[in-house]
Amino acid sequence: EIVLTQSPDFQSVTPKEKVTITCRASQSIGSSLHWYQQKPDQSPKLLIKYASQSFSGVPSRFSGSGSGTDFTLTINSLEAEDAATYYCHQSNSLPHTFGQGTKLEIK
Amino acid sequence: QVQLQESGPRLVKPSGTLSLTCAVSGGSISSSNWWSWVRQPPGKGVEWIGEIPQTGSPNYNPSLKSRVTISVDKSKNQLSLKVTSVTAADTAMYYCVRDLGGYDPWGQGTLVTVSS
Repeated sequence: EIVLTQSPDFQSVTPKEKVTITCRASQSIGSSLHWYQQKPDQSPKLLIKYASQSFSGVPSRFSGSGSGTDFTLTINSLEAEDAATYYCHQSNSLPHTFGQGTKLEIK
Repeated sequence: QVQLQESGPRLVKPSGTLSLTCAVSGGSISSSNWWSWVRQPPGKGVEWIGEIPQTGSPNYNPSLKSRVTISVDKSKNQLSLKVTSVTAADTAMYYCVRDLGGYDPWGQGTLVTVSS
């Protein structure tokens, strides 16, 4: 099973800051890495698929990069509405797995 | 656009069977090659349960494999999940998702509690 480790687990940030969340896979997964945003009491929403492909309707301040074992989600110019927990997810091999989540708090 | 709605009993007794359905609206279940179920225990992370293709056999998480069955009913445009011999550890929000590589959309989820 591929283990995804996100860092940090928690981050408190101010609006307009640039945020970087990383996801490291225990073995190479190519570009089969996806990012989600989950707000309290809501279902997760797809932000980025296949490492760097922005999903339809997602604000342009969200971007993804990486391949192999190291991946990054970047949020440029953070907005208050971006307070949420972010998860990475790999679909390269079974079982599909998720990172433990990164909680973003807006100061 | 495609929307997903999970339904089923919210309370299941220990050792019983959890049964959920996911209704697909706004499109055909045949529009996607893969559909999946995932779950999220309260306050915790997300766990993949399994997936089912349009043709072929489902794949399950080895941690649940002996207890899980996922199926598709094309005539009803829905998919189903069964988990047998449940324990308190199976208490979670259960989601059905369409697999586009990434998962979208997600259903609103249904919280299933295992308790006597």
